[in-house]
Amino acid sequence: EVQLVESGGGLVQPGRSLRLSCAASGFTFDDYGMHWVRQAPGKGLEWVSGIGWNSGIIGYADSVKGRFTISRDNAKNSLYLQMNSLRPEDTALFFCAKEKNKKGQSDAFDIWGQGTMVTVSS
Amino acid sequence: DIQMTQSPSTLSASVGDRVTITCRASQSISRWLAWYQQKPGKAPKLLIYDASSLGSGVPSRFSGSGSGTEFTLTISSLQPDDFLTYYCQQYNTYPPTFGQGTKLEIK
Repeated sequence: EVQLVESGGGLVQPGRSLRLSCAASGFTFDDYGMHWVRQAPGKGLEWVSGIGWNSGIIGYADSVKGRFTISRDNAKNSLYLQMNSLRPEDTALFFCAKEKNKKGQSDAFDIWGQGTMVTVSS
Repeated sequence: DIQMTQSPSTLSASVGDRVTITCRASQSISRWLAWYQQKPGKAPKLLIYDASSLGSGVPSRFSGSGSGTEFTLTISSLQPDDFLTYYCQQYNTYPPTFGQGTKLEIK
């Protein structure tokens, strides 16, 4: 079964850091681009960051550029999001998502994890 | 960044109705558009990709059309499980961007 499982969310004070992980299974992880998408409470979907299948493409939303870093460890079938200098407006449910096609440049997201909640508050 | 605008934001309809949701891109995205369905608090589900291709396991009452800057998602006969929120997303140009969502409500 193709599956993504996020972890690492929690309650953190403004200005602190958190590292999210996404464990992939059921597919050849290093063939696919991966992304992080977040959803603030009661709001819509916001793309946060993406990394190509070979890490050749890495992108960030303007709202997180310079504070968040995406990475992947293909040997561990895992995706990560290092989040520094967290702000209250970063409070959201964070999803990881897999691109639909192998070794693509950009694609729809066909598999999503269940999400991990990040709450930034003092 | 490419802006995606969905309309309407909320749509009231009844079981059995045919409904259409529109998504407009701020510049041409060819056919690189997806539609997602989301239950509250759950992960989105891919319904349509490449503007008109049906996602895996998606019922045939869902269909997508369009190219360039204007796209539609049509549900031919609403079922009770369809009263959820729908998002469009462009993936023609980095960064990928989502529409603001359309909430489908029971009339």
